[in-house]
Amino acid sequence: NAGVTQTPKFQVLKTGQSMTLQCAQDMNHNSMYWYRQDPGMGLRLIYYSASEGTTDKGEVPNGYNVSRLNKREFSLRLESAAPSQTSVYFCASFMGLDQPQHFGDGTRLSIL
Amino acid sequence: GEDVEQSLFLSVREGDSSVINCTYTDSSSTYLYWYKQEPGAGLQLLTYIFSNMDMKQDQRLTVLLNKKDKHLSLRIADTQTGDSAIYFCVSDSWGKLQFGAGTQVVVTP
Repeated sequence: NAGVTQTPKFQVLKTGQSMTLQCAQDMNHNSMYWYRQDPGMGLRLIYYSASEGTTDKGEVPNGYNVSRLNKREFSLRLESAAPSQTSVYFCASFMGLDQPQHFGDGTRLSIL
Repeated sequence: GEDVEQSLFLSVREGDSSVINCTYTDSSSTYLYWYKQEPGAGLQLLTYIFSNMDMKQDQRLTVLLNKKDKHLSLRIADTQTGDSAIYFCVSDSWGKLQFGAGTQVVVTP
């Protein structure tokens, strides 16, 4: 099983450019999440989607938008990238109680 | 807000036991997880414990939970060089995760 797949794995952008990070899961999970990881910090929640058709803000949503395209796919969009958004982005999916979240391998994003 | 705190660094000799400690504040946590992250890689779930348990053993890993003090620990027996990584303590409150900053474990020969 592929689990949670993120694309791309690496990306370099210039300030002001836009970009969409893709995430897909094949585990039929209802909930999906986007996190960012900065040096010396744990993961912080950007947005999540508890179920298909719903999205909610997390701890650090500013500068981002999301789309839950269908049950499998949850994308994260940077409309106008800023250097402060340089980070590693992780997507995760979650079945529900008694199961942990499953993480993708991350997208390493640098904004110059 | 809710918080998860853990020590930032641990150095251990190969073959010794490692103990990583964590405290959390969210009393509604249902699960507590330990994730491992190797350099440049994603997060790998190591083990987890349900909040009504006080101990869980899984091969070389032992998790102890003191719910009253909101203290969690991970013990790795017979630590190997492959155990060098960052370990994240994570509290889960009905699907909402709170991450600690991670403990970097360095295993020396």
